[in-house]
Amino acid sequence: KAGVTQTPRYLIKTRGQQVTLSCSPISGHRSVSWYQQTPGQGLQFLFEYFSETQRNKGNFPGRFSGRQFSNSRSEMNVSTLELGDSALYLCASSSGEAAYEQYFGPGTRLTVT
Amino acid sequence: GQNIDQPTEMTATEGAIVQINCTYQTSGFNGLFWYQQHAGEAPTFLSYNVLDGLEEKGRFSSFLSRSKGYSYLLLKELQMKDSASYLCAVKLTGGGNKLTFGTGTQLKVEL
Repeated sequence: KAGVTQTPRYLIKTRGQQVTLSCSPISGHRSVSWYQQTPGQGLQFLFEYFSETQRNKGNFPGRFSGRQFSNSRSEMNVSTLELGDSALYLCASSSGEAAYEQYFGPGTRLTVT
Repeated sequence: GQNIDQPTEMTATEGAIVQINCTYQTSGFNGLFWYQQHAGEAPTFLSYNVLDGLEEKGRFSSFLSRSKGYSYLLLKELQMKDSASYLCAVKLTGGGNKLTFGTGTQLKVEL
């Protein structure tokens, strides 16, 4: 079974631009969660999608948004990028709410200059 | 708010045993997770505790006390490859799959 895949793996953007990151969960998994990881703040929850619906949302500004498609693939978008958005963005896939195990993808390293 | 505390760094010797502690103060509790993350890699699942007690899985064990808001990860027979960051995370009731993470403990295993 293929693992969680994220594209692109690395990205460099300029302040003010926008970016879209993609996550393909493990086949059959319906839940995708997104996290931001920085050295200072650690792993912070952005949002979770389950069956195309946003189920949970973290404490991030509205510039951060996401969606999930019918095949469970998910995208997150960050508009009007700021230097502080430089981070590793991880997605995690799970089969559902009752399942406790979440599998993380390799992440997208975003650098904002 | 939610608060999860772990030591920032620990150093241990190859072949030894190390215990990484995690304390948490959260509103609602639906399980505690431990993840291992090597530098530049994705976190990988190590253990899950929802009831009090010790869960053993090979060289790794995890303990939970819900009344004390306390957990630890015990690593036995340490190997050099165990050098990594160890993340404690709590799942809250009604939170779907949302995990709240501590900042992680960087473990260095030395000869």
